[in-house]
Amino acid sequence: KAGVTQTPRYLIKTRGQQVTLSCSPISGHRSVSWYQQTPGQGLQFLFEYFSETQRNKGNFPGRFSGRQFSNSRSEMNVSTLELGDSALYLCASSGPYEQYFGPGTRLTVT
Amino acid sequence: ILNVEQSPQSLHVQEGDSTNFTCSFPSSNFYALHWYRWETAKSPEALFVMTLNGDEKKKGRISATLNTKEGYSYLYIKGSQPEDSATYLCAWAAGGTSYGKLTFGQGTILTVHP
Repeated sequence: KAGVTQTPRYLIKTRGQQVTLSCSPISGHRSVSWYQQTPGQGLQFLFEYFSETQRNKGNFPGRFSGRQFSNSRSEMNVSTLELGDSALYLCASSGPYEQYFGPGTRLTVT
Repeated sequence: ILNVEQSPQSLHVQEGDSTNFTCSFPSSNFYALHWYRWETAKSPEALFVMTLNGDEKKKGRISATLNTKEGYSYLYIKGSQPEDSATYLCAWAAGGTSYGKLTFGQGTILTVHP
């Protein structure tokens, strides 16, 4: 069974730009969650999509958004990038209990 | 605010030592407790997911226990090896439709010296 894949793996953007990250979950999993990891804050939950609907949302500004397609692939978008958005963004693919993580996208905002 | 706390923050042990970490979490509306091992430059690796009070899980030299009534879980590593060096994370999931939303602790950084 293929694991969770994320693209791109690394990204450098400038303040004010926007970025789109992609996640393909494990086959058969309908839930995709997104997390942000920064050195000071640890892993913070962004949002979860289940069957193309946002089911849960974390405490992040509206600049962070996402969507899920009918094949369960998910994208997250960050608009008007700020320096503080530099982080590792992880997506996770969930069954009813287990949650498996992808390798992450390292975003650097300059 | 629903907090997940882990202790200690870091731990240095010698090869062959046994060690354990603690994770405390909210005891109300409990759904599942996850343990992950996260090595630098890799994805977090799922170790265990536990759902029932009194659950005990084992994978090789690593085991975990769960007490949902008092809101804590222990992770044990028997006979630590240098390859066990990693950050160990626990994560709590609430019930209902929130099981896809994990609240993570800050992690315990384990360093095993040869």
